Amino acid sequence: GDSVTQMEGPVTLSEEAFLTINCTYTATGYPSLFWYVQYPGEGLQLLLKATKADDKGSNKGFEATYRKETTSFHLEKGSVQVSDSAVYFCAQNTGNQFYFGTGTSLTVIP
Amino acid sequence: NAGVTQTPKFQVLKTGQSMTLQCAQDMNHEYMSWYRQDPGMGLRLIHYSVGAGITDQGEVPNGYNVSRSTTEDFPLRLLSAAPSQTSVYFCASSYSWDRVDEQYFGPGTRLTVT
Repeated sequence: GDSVTQMEGPVTLSEEAFLTINCTYTATGYPSLFWYVQYPGEGLQLLLKATKADDKGSNKGFEATYRKETTSFHLEKGSVQVSDSAVYFCAQNTGNQFYFGTGTSLTVIP
Repeated sequence: NAGVTQTPKFQVLKTGQSMTLQCAQDMNHEYMSWYRQDPGMGLRLIHYSVGAGITDQGEVPNGYNVSRSTTEDFPLRLLSAAPSQTSVYFCASSYSWDRVDEQYFGPGTRLTVT
């Protein structure tokens, strides 16, 4: 069935370090792919998305490219800040249902 | 514009009790959904609705009921609470079923069943 697998955390980085969070998906059709971010005590917010192969989603310095050949949608940021500390969820939707990964907790230390 | 609101924020139930988690949105969104979030398991879809009067089951619907009598409200009912239903519950909405990517999430309800 449809699913999303993302790298387990927690991840701890120093400020200005490079971030990669891996995400792969399994889908019967051609899903749209997303990254959501959850700050402590809050609901999820859409961070970025890509709707077809080779699309690159970007927002707030984060990027992810829809790679159909490797069924991946890895999240990257060149220089993380303390304010990026949060839990990041990869997700896909096929039709009218969403499938989320288990989440990766990121802590950025000064 | 309050977005998606959920009440209560916290709730403790005893096994066998019933309760309703409230969810409302003021954005005239057609699509609404309920998820539960458990450690190490991400978010799992419980029920969703593509419009008033229409609901359908998600991945983990057992033990939960929903109804959608208005566009604004989408309550989730626990019929007979069990400890396995201890979780954080999120309601979400989006403009329509084919723009389900732009989901707006509520702040969550943390439920403990003892």
